[in-house]
Amino acid sequence: KAGVTQTPRYLIKTRGQQVTLSCSPISGHRSVSWYQQTPGQGLQFLFEYFSETQRNKGNFPGRFSGRQFSNSRSEMNVSTLELGDSALYLCASSSGQDVIWGKLFFGSGTQLSVL
Amino acid sequence: DQQVKQNSPSLSVQEGRISILNCDYTNSMFDYFLWYKKYPAEGPTFLISISSIKDKNEDGRFTVFLNKSAKHLSLHIVPSQPGDSAVYFCAASAGGTSGTYKYIFGTGTRLKVLA
Repeated sequence: KAGVTQTPRYLIKTRGQQVTLSCSPISGHRSVSWYQQTPGQGLQFLFEYFSETQRNKGNFPGRFSGRQFSNSRSEMNVSTLELGDSALYLCASSSGQDVIWGKLFFGSGTQLSVL
Repeated sequence: DQQVKQNSPSLSVQEGRISILNCDYTNSMFDYFLWYKKYPAEGPTFLISISSIKDKNEDGRFTVFLNKSAKHLSLHIVPSQPGDSAVYFCAASAGGTSGTYKYIFGTGTRLKVLA
């Protein structure tokens, strides 16, 4: 069974630009969560989608948005990039039941650098 | 407001000895806890979980202990092996009681197992 796939693996952008990150969950998984990892801050929850509906959102500005498609693939968009948005962005999938009771399966992440 | 805290940024242990990683939380609504291991350039990998109705869960060399009155959990690795060298994250969720669909992660502890 293929794991969670995130593309691209690395991105370099400049301030003010926008970026779109993609995540393909494990086949059959309907829940996709996004997390931001920065040094010293751990993993910060961005949002979670289940069957194309956002069920929960973290404390990030409106520049951060996401969506989920009917095939459960998800995209995350960051507009008007700031230097502080440089981070590893991780996507995790779950069957939906598992989000409540346990496992998130993570992708390898997209490393975003904002110059 | 850091609801999940890992106060030790790093830990070094000799091979074959016990590694103990600690995690404290402040939200009494948390009812499910997980530990993840993360190698550089990879996404976090699920290790072990525990629900609030238990105080101990074992899986091979890994044991998680939960002390609800102290709002504290710990991960024991016995015996420690060089391949265990990684960053370990604890995470907590109130999903079972409040229907939220997110995990709050600690900032991680870097474990180094010395050969």
